[in-house]
Amino acid sequence: EVQLLESGGRLEQPGGSLRLYCAASGFTFNNYAMNWVRQAAGKGLEWLSSINGGRGDTTHYADSVKDRFIISRDNSRNTLYLQMNSLRGEDTALYYCAKGPHSDSLSWFDLWGQGTLVTVSS
Amino acid sequence: QSALTQPASVSGSPGQSITISCTGTSSDVGGYDYVSWYQQHPDKAPKVMIYDVNHRPSGISDRFSGSKSGNTASLTISGLQPEDEADYYCSSYTGRNTVAFGGGTKLTVL
Repeated sequence: EVQLLESGGRLEQPGGSLRLYCAASGFTFNNYAMNWVRQAAGKGLEWLSSINGGRGDTTHYADSVKDRFIISRDNSRNTLYLQMNSLRGEDTALYYCAKGPHSDSLSWFDLWGQGTLVTVSS
Repeated sequence: QSALTQPASVSGSPGQSITISCTGTSSDVGGYDYVSWYQQHPDKAPKVMIYDVNHRPSGISDRFSGSKSGNTASLTISGLQPEDEADYYCSSYTGRNTVAFGGGTKLTVL
């Protein structure tokens, strides 16, 4: 079955760090760009970051997370990561990983996971 | 504040057609044919309905169609069905290697 499964979300204190995981299955993970998108409760979608397929040597970030979050991938484990540092209350959200349709596209997202919840609070 | 502007809500009766607009700028919607639309039911993940302005992924009903004029993209749903009731989000590549989403539109099928 083609799917993405996120994990790693939990309650964390402001200023803390978290690492999110996205396990991919049912497709050739190495061949596709991957993204992180978040959604605060009752709010809209916010794109956060992307990484290209293959070597994953090209990454892009939204201004809201640049210099705090790091996206990476391990193609041997079919896993996407999001390292989240210097967490703030406004980072509280459901975090989705989303697959791009090509190796290096930022055009649309053809497969989404079910999300993992991150709560930042003291 | 979302980069792309959508109406907060739209409604229609079963069988009718509705259109949801998505207004950006020449730096995003107007500058690239990379507009996509996502449907999200409560407590579910988003699902792509339209990509590259007017293309439907495999398995998506032809009741869903997309278009663009200038800096405004539109999603039209014809022959409204109860299961179409959901939130809809537009998205566009911005040309700064980022992606922008609209604020979302709640569709109510009366």
